[in-house]
Amino acid sequence: DIQMTQSPSSLSASVGDRVTITCRASQGISNYLAWFQQKPGKAPKSLIYAASSLQSGVSSKFSGSGSGTDFTLTISSLQPEDFATYYCQQYSSYPRTFGGGTKVEIK
Amino acid sequence: EVQLVESGGGLVKPGGSLRLSCAASGFSFSDYSMHWVRQAPGKGLDWVSSISGNSVYIYHADSVKGRFTISRDNAKNSLYLQMNSLRVEDTAVYYCASSWVDSRGYSVIDYWGQGIRVTVSS
Repeated sequence: DIQMTQSPSSLSASVGDRVTITCRASQGISNYLAWFQQKPGKAPKSLIYAASSLQSGVSSKFSGSGSGTDFTLTISSLQPEDFATYYCQQYSSYPRTFGGGTKVEIK
Repeated sequence: EVQLVESGGGLVKPGGSLRLSCAASGFSFSDYSMHWVRQAPGKGLDWVSSISGNSVYIYHADSVKGRFTISRDNAKNSLYLQMNSLRVEDTAVYYCASSWVDSRGYSVIDYWGQGIRVTVSS
């Protein structure tokens, strides 16, 4: 199985900050990597697929990059509605696996 | 507008069974692979099962293999998860999710249901 490791597990940031979250796969997954946002008590929301492509309707303040084993999600200017937990997921093979999540909190 | 609405959750004793349903609307259901993903209380997302649009390809996590069965009825635009021999550790919110198939044949999750709670406890 492919293990997905996110870092950090949590971070504190201020409104307007640029934030970067890292996701590492235990083996190469090309660019079969998705990012999701989840707010407390809510369903996840799809943000990015194919490592860097935005899902329809997602703000361009979100961007993704990477290929192979190392990936990043960047939020260009953090806004109050962006405080949430973010998950990566590989869809290169089954079982599909998620990273442990990164909780973005207000400083 | 895409809608995914789960139902069928609740409280069940260890060893019991439940059948979750997910009613889909707003897209061509039979063209989409579908998934179940769960989230235990205070924990992260955990992939459970996936099924292709024509039900030819079915996958289950090792943790549920032999106990859970994913299925779908394209005529009813519905996805199901039959859960047998439930364990305390199956307690979670269960989400159904739709996914479109990209040009390389890989299914990409796009929409999620609101989730349904399953509690396994004596």
